Amino acid sequence: EAQVTQNPRYLITVTGKKLTVTCSQNMNHEYMSWYRQDPGLGLRQIYYSMNVEVTDKGDVPEGYKVSRKEKRNFPLILESPSPNQTSLYFCASSPGLYSNQPQHFGDGTRLSIL
Amino acid sequence: AQSVTQLGSHVSVSEGALVLLRCNYSSSVPPYLFWYVQYPNQGLQLLLKYTTGATLVKGINGFEAEFKKSETSFHLTKPSAHMSDAAEYFCAVSALPNYNQGGKLIFGQGTELSVKP
Repeated sequence: EAQVTQNPRYLITVTGKKLTVTCSQNMNHEYMSWYRQDPGLGLRQIYYSMNVEVTDKGDVPEGYKVSRKEKRNFPLILESPSPNQTSLYFCASSPGLYSNQPQHFGDGTRLSIL
Repeated sequence: AQSVTQLGSHVSVSEGALVLLRCNYSSSVPPYLFWYVQYPNQGLQLLLKYTTGATLVKGINGFEAEFKKSETSFHLTKPSAHMSDAAEYFCAVSALPNYNQGGKLIFGQGTELSVKP
């Protein structure tokens, strides 16, 4: 089954404790992206990757890091989480942003930073 | 720079009525435009997208949208609402791939659609 898998689905942690949210896709997609969703703000893109070893900043990259060492994985790293990073996070993938095939979204990761 | 504005954070229609969700964009380069739907506790699903060519785009579930360059709009419509259409809808814009930051996707704030029986 084609899917984008995020882990964990829920996480409560404390300020300053490094965390990683993993994202994996099994569709051999080139394009992957991370978003955060906040009430009244819609989705904002954090980082995206057009292919392996190619990443670029989205709209709100501050406080986040990503890497794309393999095509299937695109982890989101919060080196020193802060309460303003409490949010719902989505990973997405597609063959390419402009392909005729739809983007696939993961089920989301709800992070609470205390 | 690009931006998206969705007019109305909440829209309520009766079952069988026309659905109209408004989206206006700003882009200094030719845009790619998208509509996504999010059902409760789920990720986003692509409804339709405009890239180039025909300005009236048909998507899934009976939705369509028309790209109007002169009005910088990409409104989403459906002739007859169904209860199952109740969800949050997001409009998004991106630059063409041959422009800088072609992979960057900007979303609007979202419009929650309620459908009354």
